[in-house]
Amino acid sequence: AQSVSQHNHHVILSEAASLELGCNYSYGGTVNLFWYVQYPGQHLQLLLKYFSGDPLVKGIKGFEAEFIKSKFSFNLRKPSVQWSDTAEYFCAVNGLFSGNTPLVFGKGTRLSVIA
Amino acid sequence: GAVVSQHPSWVICKSGTSVKIECRSLDFQATTMFWYRQFPKQSLMLMATSNEGSKATYEQGVEKDKFLINHASLTLSTLTVTSAHPEDSSFYICSARDPRQENTEAFFGQGTRLTVV
Repeated sequence: AQSVSQHNHHVILSEAASLELGCNYSYGGTVNLFWYVQYPGQHLQLLLKYFSGDPLVKGIKGFEAEFIKSKFSFNLRKPSVQWSDTAEYFCAVNGLFSGNTPLVFGKGTRLSVIA
Repeated sequence: GAVVSQHPSWVICKSGTSVKIECRSLDFQATTMFWYRQFPKQSLMLMATSNEGSKATYEQGVEKDKFLINHASLTLSTLTVTSAHPEDSSFYICSARDPRQENTEAFFGQGTRLTVV
């Protein structure tokens, strides 16, 4: 069965600090990987996704993630966070070509950015 | 991009009553939709997979008689919380993929915050 592990429950950073959120997954085959963000009071939005190709994926708002197959990891990074990045971040995984199967989510990491 | 719309955004109901939540795919037809539940400060837990024209598939531990799912058309799935109780208070989210695209992300509705008093 697929599973996703996010190492950090709550991260607190000052503005301009660098961010890295860990994500490891467990799945026996080829995977699609996602990072979603949920701002307070809003719905989930896609930050970035990896299906194939370059393992370094760039997303919206300056976020990027690197797929390291040997480590089963897909960590999210941003060189300089802003107060507006305060949100909940979810890593998710899905088997390749699994159009009719649901995403499996990690437990989420709450990011608080202080001015 | 594809959009999934959920209604209502929030609802307060009395204990013992039923509440219906709608999930619509706005610019694509979704043969499959997914219903999740999110408790405060926790992740999204899959409740069931809604299949157009057939019965929903429920995850282990989810009461199918309490959480009725109807996927009557290719653009609409509904979740009805029957005889709601305070412990059913939660954030319910639906999701769907655009089947026209082979590999694509899931699109999420805005979520429905249910409070049972």
